[in-house]
Amino acid sequence: EVQLLESGGVLVQPGGSLRLSCAASGFTFSSYAMTWVRQAPGKGLEWVSAIRDRDNDAYYADSVKGRFTIFRDNSKNTLYLQMNTLRVEDTAVYYCANAQPYGTGWYGRNDYWGQGTLVTVSS
Amino acid sequence: IQMTQSPSSLSASVGDRVTITCRASQSISTYLNWYQQKPGRAPTVLIYAASNLQSGVPSRFSGGGSGTDFTLTINNLQPEDFATYYCQQSLSTPIAFGQGTRLEIK
Repeated sequence: EVQLLESGGVLVQPGGSLRLSCAASGFTFSSYAMTWVRQAPGKGLEWVSAIRDRDNDAYYADSVKGRFTIFRDNSKNTLYLQMNTLRVEDTAVYYCANAQPYGTGWYGRNDYWGQGTLVTVSS
Repeated sequence: IQMTQSPSSLSASVGDRVTITCRASQSISTYLNWYQQKPGRAPTVLIYAASNLQSGVPSRFSGGGSGTDFTLTINNLQPEDFATYYCQQSLSTPIAFGQGTRLEIK
């Protein structure tokens, strides 16, 4: 059974830093691109970042570029999101998900999602 | 690439047929996915590559379109279908979701 378990969400002050983790099991983690998607309270889904499987190329939404860093440890089957210079508008539930490719695209669809971890940025 | 869904909300009855549309700001071929999300839960994929039904998803869900215009149709609405639906383009980064369509019981 595929499982994705996020952790690390807490209350943090504006300007602070936080690292989220996503522990994966039930599939060959190293063979899949992975992604972070967030959802602010009462709002829609916002794609945050993705990292490819083969070359670890990383991609970011403009809203987090230069502040967030995605990385992975394939030996631990774990995905991370390092979040720096946090802003009030970063408050959201953060989901990790796999990227199941189709066609010639590398991203495809997000088949499996974690339950999410809540990050609250507030003074 | 920006994704625009319509309508933003929709009221319907059990047994109805409903259609949600999604428009991309530029051609995305068929790199279009549809997700369902229920309150307090993570999204689940319903349709991928515009028209392919995800394994385990009931056949009353169907998707169509290519290029810039796409549809999600739900036939014979069931009580468990009342949720929020999102389209997603996966042709290129930044990956983008539509703003969502909330399907409510009439």
